[in-house]
Amino acid sequence: DTGVSQDPRHKITKRGQNVTFRCDPISEHNRLYWYRQTLGQGPEFLTYFQNEAQLEKSRLLSDRFSAERPKGSFSTLEIQRTEQGDSAMYLCASNPGQGTYEQYFGPGTRLTVT
Amino acid sequence: AQSVAQPEDQVNVAEGNPLTVKCTYSVSGNPYLFWYVQYPNRGLQFLLKYITGDNLVKGSYGFEAEFNKSQTSFHLKKPSALVSDSALYFCAGPGLMGGGYNKLIFGAGTRLAVHP
Repeated sequence: DTGVSQDPRHKITKRGQNVTFRCDPISEHNRLYWYRQTLGQGPEFLTYFQNEAQLEKSRLLSDRFSAERPKGSFSTLEIQRTEQGDSAMYLCASNPGQGTYEQYFGPGTRLTVT
Repeated sequence: AQSVAQPEDQVNVAEGNPLTVKCTYSVSGNPYLFWYVQYPNRGLQFLLKYITGDNLVKGSYGFEAEFNKSQTSFHLKKPSALVSDSALYFCAGPGLMGGGYNKLIFGAGTRLAVHP
């Protein structure tokens, strides 16, 4: 059983560029979450998918952010016109539902905007 | 509002001594609570959870946590610390969304340093 995987692990980009991150959840986990973690803080919720439906978005997710899960399997998170304040670790987590409450996290994508 | 607090930024303990990492919560509804550990440049690893039942829950790597409803606390404990336990620990609780529990609300984290 492989865990949650994320790609890339690190991304350095210049301000104003667009970036896209990918998350592959644990197989058959129908619930997928994105979180953002900045230095010295706990992760903060960004958005949630159940299968392919995006059911909740945080106010942290500005118009420059978009997330998709087109076939209910992997998900992508795109940030357009990156700003230095977007520099953070972006974490993906999955959960199978069915009475399982804990979420399983991937290794994260560390974004640095210069 | 749902919240989880970790009052200590850092906990220092000597190897072989017992350790406690503190967490308090303020949530409405069922207080589903979790502990996660994060090693440098890694994601979060699930350690243990309280959903219902016994107030003392056991988890991975010899960790346990005690749920105390009257004190609204969920402290993480281990009888004998190892140097390899040194990491960042996060307490988490349920964040309400439409349809009930789904997202997690995290504390700010506590850095545990175990000295040889």
